[in-house]
Amino acid sequence: DTAVSQTPKYLVTQMGNDKSIKCEQNLGHDTMYWYKQDSKKFLKIMFSYNNKELIINETVPNRFSPKSPDKAHLNLHINSLELGDSAVYFCASSPASASDYEQYFGPGTRLTVT
Amino acid sequence: LAKTTQPISMDSYEGQEVNITCSHNNIATNDYITWYQQFPSQGPRFIIQGYKTKVTNEVASLFIPADRKSSTLSLPRVSLSDTAVYYCLVGPNTDKLIFGTGTRLQVFP
Repeated sequence: DTAVSQTPKYLVTQMGNDKSIKCEQNLGHDTMYWYKQDSKKFLKIMFSYNNKELIINETVPNRFSPKSPDKAHLNLHINSLELGDSAVYFCASSPASASDYEQYFGPGTRLTVT
Repeated sequence: LAKTTQPISMDSYEGQEVNITCSHNNIATNDYITWYQQFPSQGPRFIIQGYKTKVTNEVASLFIPADRKSSTLSLPRVSLSDTAVYYCLVGPNTDKLIFGTGTRLQVFP
C-alpha cells in the first residue's frame, strides 16, 4: 500500500481556473505538509498542519489554501491560477513522535498552468 | 534560502564509499540533522537523522562532530541506483523546512 498518495499526478489547466490536489496518508501520522518544487528544483514548505495548528509560510499567496477533512487527508486548493504556479507539489506527513524533519513524501503532482 | 551548505555535485563509481558533507555553522541547540534522497520525478525519501556522534541504519551512516557545525552522510559501496540528489536539513530552527539545492550524486559503472 502506498504510504502517502496524491491525485492527480499531472494537472494541466488554464490561468484563472481553480483547482484542487488531494493528498492521503495511511501511516497514522498526525502532521501533514504541502511543498512546492519550482523549476530551479528548490523544495519549499508551504503549509504544515495537524489537528491543533496550521502553520503557513508567509510567502505563500492566499490563493492557496489547505483543507483537511480528517487526519489522513490534506488537500490543497488553488484559486485563480497563475503561470508562476506551475511547479511540482509534494504532500508529506510525519509522526507526532518524530521531529518535523522525519517526513514521508508523496509522489508529487506536476501542475502546468497555460 | 537554506542555512546549510553542501557541494553541488559529486561523482563516484560503483562499489566506492561516498561521503557528502554538510556545513551548518549556526545550528541551534535543539536542531536535528536530517538527510533525504530524491530521485527524478519522485518525492524526497528520508534516509537518516541524528543529533550528535554517529548514527547508522541499513542505508547509510551519519557522522556528527562534537561541535555539530557540520555533518557527513556516508553511503557504503554505492551502486548505480544511488544516483540521486541528497539534501541535508537542519531543524526545526535553522532551515525552516526549506530544502536547498542539495548534492547531485552521479554514480558511474
